[in-house]
Amino acid sequence: SQTIHQWPATLVQPVGSPLSLECTVEGTSNPNLYWYRQAAGRGLQLLFYSVGIGQISSEVPQNLSASRPQDRQFILSSKKLLLSDSGFYLCAWSPNPAMNTEAFFGQGTRLTVV
Amino acid sequence: KQEVTQIPAALSVPEGENLVLNCSFTDSAIYNLQWFRQDPGKGLTSLLLIQSSQREQTSGRLNASLDKSSGRSTLYIAASQPGDSATYLCAAPPSRGGSEKLVFGKGTKLTVNP
Repeated sequence: SQTIHQWPATLVQPVGSPLSLECTVEGTSNPNLYWYRQAAGRGLQLLFYSVGIGQISSEVPQNLSASRPQDRQFILSSKKLLLSDSGFYLCAWSPNPAMNTEAFFGQGTRLTVV
Repeated sequence: KQEVTQIPAALSVPEGENLVLNCSFTDSAIYNLQWFRQDPGKGLTSLLLIQSSQREQTSGRLNASLDKSSGRSTLYIAASQPGDSATYLCAAPPSRGGSEKLVFGKGTKLTVNP
């Protein structure tokens, strides 16, 4: 069966520090991978998605970047965190192609920038 | 651009009551519609996936319907229990412009009181 791992679960970082959140999927190959952010009182905002190794699409301009160095690994990064980067970050995957299939989410990372 | 709206934003009911959560979307050209549950501080758990060619799906006490022509979906929960308390989100990937992007509503926060 397929599983998705996301870590760390919580993270407190000072403003200006770098960020690296990692997500890995097991039990499937060539998945679509996603990074979402959920801010308090707001909906889920799609940040990045990837349909293959090295293929990253950015949905919104921001202080973050994403990379997919391996088929089932998706990394969210920042060189210098801002206060506004605080939020709940969720990684997700879906089979490729995704048209009629479910999406599955990790347990999320609570990021607090202080 | 697909927009998904969920009404109400919050709902509080006594245990045992049947209830309906609503989801509407602006672009009826969707591949499917998916309902998720999110417990506080956790990731999303997939509940039901309705293909665009289907009108409803059932899982236990949950029944989801889809009316593409009116751009609406409902999630019916029968005989609600305190354990059903969570935030429920719907997502509709548009078939135009890429099925890779799940577009979410802001969710309905459900509280079932014992």
